[in-house]
This record gives sequence, structure tokens and C-alpha cells, in this order.
Amino acid sequence: EDKVVQSPLSLVVHEGDTVTLNCSYEVTNFRSLLWYKQEKKAPTFLFMLTSSGIEKKSGRLSSILDKKELFSILNITATQTGDSAIYLCAAFSLTQGGSEKLVFGKGTKLTVNP
Amino acid sequence: DTEVTQTPKHLVMGMTNKKSLKCEQHMGHRAMYWYKQKAKKPPELMFVYSYEKLSINESVPSRFSPECPNSSLLNLHLHALQPEDSALYLCASSQIGRNEQFFGPGTRLTVL
Repeated sequence: EDKVVQSPLSLVVHEGDTVTLNCSYEVTNFRSLLWYKQEKKAPTFLFMLTSSGIEKKSGRLSSILDKKELFSILNITATQTGDSAIYLCAAFSLTQGGSEKLVFGKGTKLTVNP
Repeated sequence: DTEVTQTPKHLVMGMTNKKSLKCEQHMGHRAMYWYKQKAKKPPELMFVYSYEKLSINESVPSRFSPECPNSSLLNLHLHALQPEDSALYLCASSQIGRNEQFFGPGTRLTVL
């Protein structure tokens, strides 16, 4: 069964701290790994990673994929209260029928205190 | 237009009602998805449409009936729902062969 596991499930930090969120995956026909940020409503897309060892960066957020060890990390530097959200990791797989499917982890709830 | 829209934002219905959720995108995406998300849980895939044809049904009960009338629209018809079906229903779309899915704001459904 396809599985995506995130850790920690919950994290509380102070503004200015750096955090690392972890995601490991086991899916058949893995295609890519995606990170989303979810505040009160729909998840918003952050990164898509398909190649090992290539860091994706957007401002204070960065992410990297290790396809050999089947994991990814999301780093946030100099955290701000606006970074408080649930961060979802999802693995994209191709089913035997040729359809594309996204399997989500349970998310990491990040709280950044002032 | 780079967004996915969903209507209504909120819906309260009784167990004998029939209602529909609507999702629309004008990004030219040919894959569209319905997810169900319960509180403090990740989204769970319900249905996938590729080129307006149903390609994945994740063993969803028949009281949920999806429909894709054209490449921009996706509906979810609801009938005889149970209180445990109360959840946030998310629609997403993507280009075929590109994995980024873009989510709509969701419909918050309450079944009384």
C-alpha cells in the first residue's frame, strides 16, 4: 500500500528559528514529491521535486529530495508567524491503469510564536 | 485565469436532500480531482477524471456521484448522505503529465 509519513506531526517554534520538516514515502511507480502549505482552506502548492539532490528554493523555503533513501525535507529559515500552517507532503504515483494519483502524508502542524 | 473555483463555499443539507458541488477551472487542465478532507486529516482522494473520463474511483459510496460535463467543469452530486460525510470537499486540477495539482478553496459540507 502506498504510504507517505511526515514528522514531526506538530512543531512549535519562535520567530527567527529555522525548522526542518521530514517526509518519507513508499509508493509504486513514484513520479514526484510535492509540498503544500495549508492554512485555513485549500492547500497551496510550494514545490515539486522529481530529481534527487537538486534543491528547490523559494525565499526562505527550500526543499530537497533523496530518491535513494525515499525521503524529502522542507526547510524554513528565519520563520515568521505567517509561516504557521500545516505543511503537507504528497507523493505522486502512476497507477497500473495509467492514472496519476497523489498520496498525502498527515501533515506537520507548524506554529511560529512571536 | 490561474485558479480553481468551487461553489458553494458552505453547504448544509439533510440526509434526504439532493445537492451538487461545482468546480471550475480555465487553465486548460485535462485532469480534475475530488478530495474529501476531515478535520485535522490530509485530503483523501475520491475521484480522478482524465480527459473528461473517470479514471480513478477510490471505492467511494454511490451516494457520491461525480460528473465531468466538459474540460472546465467538474460536479459532485450528493444524495442521501450521512452525518459522517460532513467534511471539506476539495477540487483540484492539473495538466496531464505534470504533477502539480492546484486546489480550489473547497466546499465545507455539513450533513444534519
